[in-house]
Amino acid sequence: QVQLQESGPGLVKPSETLSLICSVSSGSITNYYWSWIRQPPGKGLEWIGYIHYTGTTNYNPSLRSRVTISVDTSKNQFSLKVSSVTAADTAVYYCARILEGYGPTFDYWGQGTLVTVSS
Amino acid sequence: QSALTQPPSASGSPGQSVTISCTGISSDVGDYNYVSWYQQHPGKAPKLMIYEVSKRPSGVPDRFSGSRSGNTASLTVAGLLAEDEADYYCISFGGMNNWGVFGGGTKLTVL
Repeated sequence: QVQLQESGPGLVKPSETLSLICSVSSGSITNYYWSWIRQPPGKGLEWIGYIHYTGTTNYNPSLRSRVTISVDTSKNQFSLKVSSVTAADTAVYYCARILEGYGPTFDYWGQGTLVTVSS
Repeated sequence: QSALTQPPSASGSPGQSVTISCTGISSDVGDYNYVSWYQQHPGKAPKLMIYEVSKRPSGVPDRFSGSRSGNTASLTVAGLLAEDEADYYCISFGGMNNWGVFGGGTKLTVL
């Protein structure tokens, strides 16, 4: 079955850009939509945005000005960039596959990676 | 985006049934069939339990069921087991400019 794995720096300085990659294995990134979701420590889930393998994107309006999601089909990966980060961006970041045709339905998830924003 | 409203906590004894609510507005939960529910154990990634209001993915026990009435979706866990103790989150579609809005989460305790 499909497996997802997040990777990237665990510590980012305030005002800098957070960058993460989600690697997809045991399945192709094509023909699906893929998403990023985050969870601040001890708090609830927040949808960040999604990307289709063709490059179509949609972002949470509250993060749209700072977020970019891109896809590299040749590497079976998609990525997340969040600019001008603050302590409020400290969270576990998950990547997930979207079950197409059912709106915000995430059928496969990565294990998550903690990103801390601190100087 | 306004978060969907869930009770912070719920509880029940083994074997009992518990229902967790998820209240939105007419332009999300009340207008679309795209409500899904996730179970999250501490330190683990969320797991899809219900999608499209009431459908169960393969492998999810039929003790878990979903429903909706007006602007409120509900997740019912019947025959509670100790392993059901976890956080539960709902999410709904609310149009392309409000694509994915999560509820605040409910901590289910099995007494």
